[in-house]
Amino acid sequence: ETGVTQTPRHLVMGMTNKKSLKCEQHLGHNAMYWYKQSAKKPLELMFVYNFKEQTENNSVPSRFSPECPNSSHLFLHLHTLQPEDSALYLCASSQEGYGGNTEAFFGQGTRLTVV
Amino acid sequence: AQTVTQSQPEMSVQEAETVTLSCTYDTSESDYYLFWYKQPPSRQMILVIRQEAYKQQNATENRFSVNFQKAAKSFSLKISDSQLGDAAMYFCAYTTRGTSYGKLTFGQGTILTVHP
Repeated sequence: ETGVTQTPRHLVMGMTNKKSLKCEQHLGHNAMYWYKQSAKKPLELMFVYNFKEQTENNSVPSRFSPECPNSSHLFLHLHTLQPEDSALYLCASSQEGYGGNTEAFFGQGTRLTVV
Repeated sequence: AQTVTQSQPEMSVQEAETVTLSCTYDTSESDYYLFWYKQPPSRQMILVIRQEAYKQQNATENRFSVNFQKAAKSFSLKISDSQLGDAAMYFCAYTTRGTSYGKLTFGQGTILTVHP
């Protein structure tokens, strides 16, 4: 248990559905991240949030909409996805700033299948 | 842009033996961190070891050690006395010092199989 919890663990959705992924961290960190892990590809950083503010969006399609209501919670809202969006979505958190631990902690991911 | 390359898609080792996983990276930065993460079937990414680029001494964590060659931009992981629980996907990762520590560039991963 790393202190980062993701729900649900598995999700199957149709291309016209709307669903959300949730991430919660209990580590007191101030930065949170979404990664996409596809088969045969390196993990891809999608979004970065620092102190609830989005600081990075790596050209992610608008059908993925992140939300960070506070430093402990991060959501990824999904709508009109494509089959190629099927992947493992990982959430991570870290403590930024001088003296911060350089380790990022990851959740167990949500396995998303788009049908 | 930084890139991380793991040229070994799969590796195997006998229990109690030693195995080395390779990683090379490319960056124009001089100050950065390198990491090895382990991802078992549970999918939980776990930090195995980290190296700060300005430190010449190779990092060690119990049975895990690295061979950091800054000039060659090489960062290999050595696992000694391999155990069945070491079986997992291993990822090499990079981040620039001063940026968000979770803003990582990952390699493609190496699947490690440990034979009893």
